[in-house]
Amino acid sequence: DTEVTQTPKHLVMGMTNKKSLKCEQHMGHRAMYWYKQKAKKPPELMFVYSYEKLSINESVPSRFSPECPNSSLLNLHLHALQPEDSALYLCASSRIFGGANVLTFGAGSRLTVL
Amino acid sequence: GENVEQHPSTLSVQEGDSAVIKCTYSDSASNYFPWYKQELGKGPQLIIDIRSNVGEKKDQRIAVTLNKTAKHFSLHITETQPEDSAVYFCAASSGNDMRFGAGTRLTVKP
Repeated sequence: DTEVTQTPKHLVMGMTNKKSLKCEQHMGHRAMYWYKQKAKKPPELMFVYSYEKLSINESVPSRFSPECPNSSLLNLHLHALQPEDSALYLCASSRIFGGANVLTFGAGSRLTVL
Repeated sequence: GENVEQHPSTLSVQEGDSAVIKCTYSDSASNYFPWYKQELGKGPQLIIDIRSNVGEKKDQRIAVTLNKTAKHFSLHITETQPEDSAVYFCAASSGNDMRFGAGTRLTVKP
């Protein structure tokens, strides 16, 4: 299995809703990432988990809350989002964090905040 | 931190022609340079990468060159096909910091 699976593929939510994005990989990778991608822009790093511990938080607002329940799963909990948070949210994984490690991306979850 | 510039932002070529995308980076400590292809509705996929101890790498129709002195690296696609149409991102990594270029939208016209 060489895939990163993200669910849901599409999500529409109001500003008062609470929702979660999910990511799963079974490649034995010990680093997992959340990226945000706006239209016609490159991916922007949000969070990095290394060995299930949060290693990097790129000053992301607290309305985004990551969680890594185990080495295969990564969640992004969403609460009180703003319309400008609408974007493609990409999960990625790599064998370990740092250095010349190949990132494997999922297909993304497209989020629309009304 | 690292800063990666990518040119051109859009590139249109005729099927069978070659395409070249160029990137520059600022951090001399960067030692890993991947290229990702992103098709519509999909996540970025690695197509080729190069490490700083190598000047050139080739995989069938795709090649990457690296000039560490000038801090330049380039993607070369030969004999382009319509299925090469996508957005291509370069990236540069130094340790825990990987930065992406702004992307190049490549269109291959049949």
